[in-house]
Amino acid sequence: AQTVTQSQPEMSVQEAETVTLSCTYDTSESDYYLFWYKQPPSRQMILVIRQEAYKQQNATENRFSVNFQKAAKSFSLKISDSQLGDAAMYFCAYRSVSGNTPLVFGKGTRLSVIA
Amino acid sequence: GAVVSQHPSRVICKSGTSVKIECRSLDFQATTMFWYRQFPKQSLMLMATSNEGSKATYEQGVEKDKFLINHASLTLSTLTVTSAHPEDSSFYICSARVGGQNITFGSGTRLTVV
Repeated sequence: AQTVTQSQPEMSVQEAETVTLSCTYDTSESDYYLFWYKQPPSRQMILVIRQEAYKQQNATENRFSVNFQKAAKSFSLKISDSQLGDAAMYFCAYRSVSGNTPLVFGKGTRLSVIA
Repeated sequence: GAVVSQHPSRVICKSGTSVKIECRSLDFQATTMFWYRQFPKQSLMLMATSNEGSKATYEQGVEKDKFLINHASLTLSTLTVTSAHPEDSSFYICSARVGGQNITFGSGTRLTVV
């Protein structure tokens, strides 16, 4: 079974600065998808960024980018120019390519943004 | 974009009663929906996978007789918490695959059993 580990329960960053959230995972599959989700106080799950394992190029979405190291099974999220609205819980998630398989989530990292 | 509508958003019920939570896919057909439970300050734990027209697949440790899942149509899946007890109080959230690898989530239901 796949597992996802987020080793940072809490992180904080100054507004306008950059922060990196860590995520590692364990799998025996060669092809899969990795995600970062944001959960603000409303508890709505919001997709931040997605990475296909077969793509070597790191995904980027505006201020959000990932550092995907497949051999190391590492998938960190970098948030640049942090904004107050970035404060939330961030979950790293894994999904198999095959079939209708669910997301497997890490325990999450609570990000605080300091004005 | 694809939307999953989840209702109710909040519900308070008395111990021993049953509560039904609905998830509807508004502009797409969801052959499979996933039901998660989230305790305060914790991650989402998969409870079951709901497949249209067939029995749900439950994760180990989840009581299928307590958490009844019905997926009778391509746009509606329901989770019924039967004979609810205070320990069932939690945040329940559904999700569905929307073509490709995109997953969309409902807005969640906060259940409080008193």
